[in-house]
Amino acid sequence: DIQMTQSPSSLSASVGDRVTITCRASQSISSYLNWYQQRPGKAPKLLIYAASSLQSGVPSRFSGSGSGTDFTLTISSLQPEDFATYYCQQSYSTPHTFGQGTKLEIK
Amino acid sequence: QVQLQDSGPGLVKPSETLSLTCSVSGGSISGYYWSWIRQPPEKGLEWIGHIYHSGNTDYNPSLKSRVTISVDTSKNQFSLKLSSMTAADTAVYYCARDPSAGGFLDYWGQGILVTVSS
Repeated sequence: DIQMTQSPSSLSASVGDRVTITCRASQSISSYLNWYQQRPGKAPKLLIYAASSLQSGVPSRFSGSGSGTDFTLTISSLQPEDFATYYCQQSYSTPHTFGQGTKLEIK
Repeated sequence: QVQLQDSGPGLVKPSETLSLTCSVSGGSISGYYWSWIRQPPEKGLEWIGHIYHSGNTDYNPSLKSRVTISVDTSKNQFSLKLSSMTAADTAVYYCARDPSAGGFLDYWGQGILVTVSS
């Protein structure tokens, strides 16, 4: 299985901050990397697919980059509704493993 | 607007088989991959497996001996069976759609909490 490691595991930030979350794969996954946002008690929501493609309806303050083994999710200016947990997922090979999550909290 | 509705029992006894169904509305089940994902309480997400509308499946090797995913195109539904349930299988189970075989999941069900307890 491909292991996905996110950093940091948790992060405190303020409204308006620029935030970056990193995801590293245990082997090259090309650009088969997806990002999800999960609010408490809710299903995950797709933000970014194929490393850098913004899902329809997702605000442009979210962006993704990377290829191979190293990827980033950036939120350019945090809004109150962005405080949630973020997961990366590789879809290069099955099983389509997820990172352990990054909890973004209000400072 | 595509909607997924997962249904099934919220409580299962140890050693029993869990059966969940995901009903798809607002679109056809044909032409897509359909997935099951689970999340133990206060933990991360685990990919269980997926099925193409034709019936081709892939399963997580960690669960493969106990998992069956099936599809019923006439009812626009797909299902999950997980046998020999233990407390470690207690989780919220989600169904979801992969729109392009790219492996990303664009529509999700609301999730169903399944507790394994006698």
